[in-house]
Amino acid sequence: ETGVTQSPTHLIKTRGQQVTLRCSSQSGHNTVSWYQQALGQGPQFIFQYYREEENGRGNFPPRFSGLQFPNYSSELNVNALELDDSALYLCASSSRDSDTGELFFGEGSRLTVL
Amino acid sequence: AQSVTQLGSHVSVSEGALVLLRCNYSSSVPPYLFWYVQYPNQGLQLLLKYTSAATLVKGINGFEAEFKKSETSFHLTKPSAHMSDAAEYFCAVTRTGGGNKLTFGTGTQLKVEL
Repeated sequence: ETGVTQSPTHLIKTRGQQVTLRCSSQSGHNTVSWYQQALGQGPQFIFQYYREEENGRGNFPPRFSGLQFPNYSSELNVNALELDDSALYLCASSSRDSDTGELFFGEGSRLTVL
Repeated sequence: AQSVTQLGSHVSVSEGALVLLRCNYSSSVPPYLFWYVQYPNQGLQLLLKYTSAATLVKGINGFEAEFKKSETSFHLTKPSAHMSDAAEYFCAVTRTGGGNKLTFGTGTQLKVEL
């Protein structure tokens, strides 16, 4: 069984740039969620995708957007980067058919905005 | 809305001593509750979950937690700490039928000393 994989693991951008983070979900999972974890904080829900559509969004501005592909993999895009966007971005997959709330996390993409 | 509060951002115990990490939740509907562990530079790993079955939940690595509705608590315990338990621990909540969207606490950093 293949786990959740994310790329890239680390990246550095400057203010105003755009970034795309990628996630491959665990085999058999049809739902992908993205979380932002700032330094010293708990993960904050950004949004979730199910059947290639956004299925719930946290308190994040529209410059945070995403996609889910037919193979259930996903992208997180952030436009007009700000310094406060520096964080660990975590992707988590789950099965919508198993609504126990359990998420399976990747190791994250650490974004530094200078 | 749901929330969790983790009391104590840092907890230090001696190896072999009892580990107690506190989590209180707020939810207007029956919750699902989780404890996740995060090792440095890694994603989150599920320790255990409560999904309305037994109130005493046993997880991996000797950890357990008890759901107490009257106290709105879900504290994490381990009888005897090991050096390898040093990590950050997050409590999380979602509602039944919540579509696997978790709300996390701010985390507790556990230090284990010789």
